[in-house]
Amino acid sequence: DADVTQTPRNRITKTGKRIMLECSQTKGHDRMYWYRQDPGLGLQLIYYSFDVKDINKGEISDGYSVSRQAQAKFSLSLESAIPNQTALYFCATSDSGTSGIGEQFFGPGTRLTVL
Amino acid sequence: AQKVTQAQTEISVVEKEDVTLDCVYETRDTTYYLFWYKQPPSGELVFLIRRNSFDEQNEISGRYSWNFQKSTSSFNFTITASQVVDSAVYFCALAFYGNKLVFGAGTILRVKS
Repeated sequence: DADVTQTPRNRITKTGKRIMLECSQTKGHDRMYWYRQDPGLGLQLIYYSFDVKDINKGEISDGYSVSRQAQAKFSLSLESAIPNQTALYFCATSDSGTSGIGEQFFGPGTRLTVL
Repeated sequence: AQKVTQAQTEISVVEKEDVTLDCVYETRDTTYYLFWYKQPPSGELVFLIRRNSFDEQNEISGRYSWNFQKSTSSFNFTITASQVVDSAVYFCALAFYGNKLVFGAGTILRVKS
């Protein structure tokens, strides 16, 4: 079984709809992240969480919110989806590693299309 | 500010050619990690290598090799004797304290038979 899972894997929705993307991990890591990938831009950090009570904005948090329901679960919500949020979304997890930098393990990605 | 630049947007080679993907990074931190990831057409991110800032030894893994040079802030990736299965998008990334990853824009590698 995969260590980091994302649901759904693909989603098509309409402008204005509320969407939730879910991420679960079995690695026992404290830290979880949401990234967005657009063609030609690499991955950009949306939100990250270092533990259940710690939520932080990343580079591109506008239009998104998150919820850390448990150590193993981190959800990303689009309150009112718009077409330019069409992208590939990745969840990742890590421990604190050495020097505060741990390897990040990525989920398989969710392809979201907003019409 | 932390930044990763992959100047090569797309590279096309013929099978069995060697190819080098360039990565230049910027950071003021003395402790950081550099990564390479592969993204095949299926979309998942495949971890290739992690290198910390204190280890400048080059690394070879099969047909893959990495050249880390702090003096030029570069972490280049070479595929020897490329194969069609190497066709993918390759990302270089920088991780610094707080464990946030900064990605380059990626290089699309097309290997033709």
